[in-house]
Amino acid sequence: GAVVSQHPSRVICKSGTSVKIECRSLDFQATTMFWYRQFPKKSLMLMATSNEGSKATYEQGVEKDKFLINHASLTLSTLTVTSAHPEDSSFYICSARDGQGAYSPLHFGNGTRLTVT
Amino acid sequence: AQKVTQAQTEISVVEKEDVTLDCVYETRDTTYYLFWYKQPPSGELVFLIRRNSFDEQNEISGRYSWNFQKSTSSFNFTITASQVVDSAVYFCALSEGGGAQKLVFGQGTRLTINP
Repeated sequence: GAVVSQHPSRVICKSGTSVKIECRSLDFQATTMFWYRQFPKKSLMLMATSNEGSKATYEQGVEKDKFLINHASLTLSTLTVTSAHPEDSSFYICSARDGQGAYSPLHFGNGTRLTVT
Repeated sequence: AQKVTQAQTEISVVEKEDVTLDCVYETRDTTYYLFWYKQPPSGELVFLIRRNSFDEQNEISGRYSWNFQKSTSSFNFTITASQVVDSAVYFCALSEGGGAQKLVFGQGTRLTINP
């Protein structure tokens, strides 16, 4: 089946530094990828839709200058948390569809647990 | 705007009991898609089932079954003869057919199966 690989799985960084998270579709091409954020014991909140070759679409309330998204190829999207602060600590999950249309299920990466100290 | 509500925050049952997880959705689209995902303690999301708005046929897969009722905007998930390995957080999700086709999740139900 379709596999989405996310790296790193865990990262600890100091406040003020930037962290890059990679999301790759391993056996399919994804023109669109989605980035979610999940707080402990909470649901997944969509942060942004990553579009290959164009700008990402951010959800209301998500700071685009803080969460930089780049979708440089059909198999790679990156999320960079810039000038991270402790409140950015969270579980970040990327996803992509293998196929066209909303009926195709999203396949998820294993997530990245970010801890900002 | 699309919305998914899972009113049951946590459920705890004894092994071998049947358990139903409720999901109610809201959408203005006539074409939409419903999904269930499982999130075990390790954190990854596992796709379980999908349904489109034109297919109200219920589905059974082993011990899992799903009941889709458009009249009540519900897409409930039942596990029969539950097992400890079923312990996880279960998410119901909705994707509208048009627009960005983004997937919106419910709050999730934490299911604990006790031996």
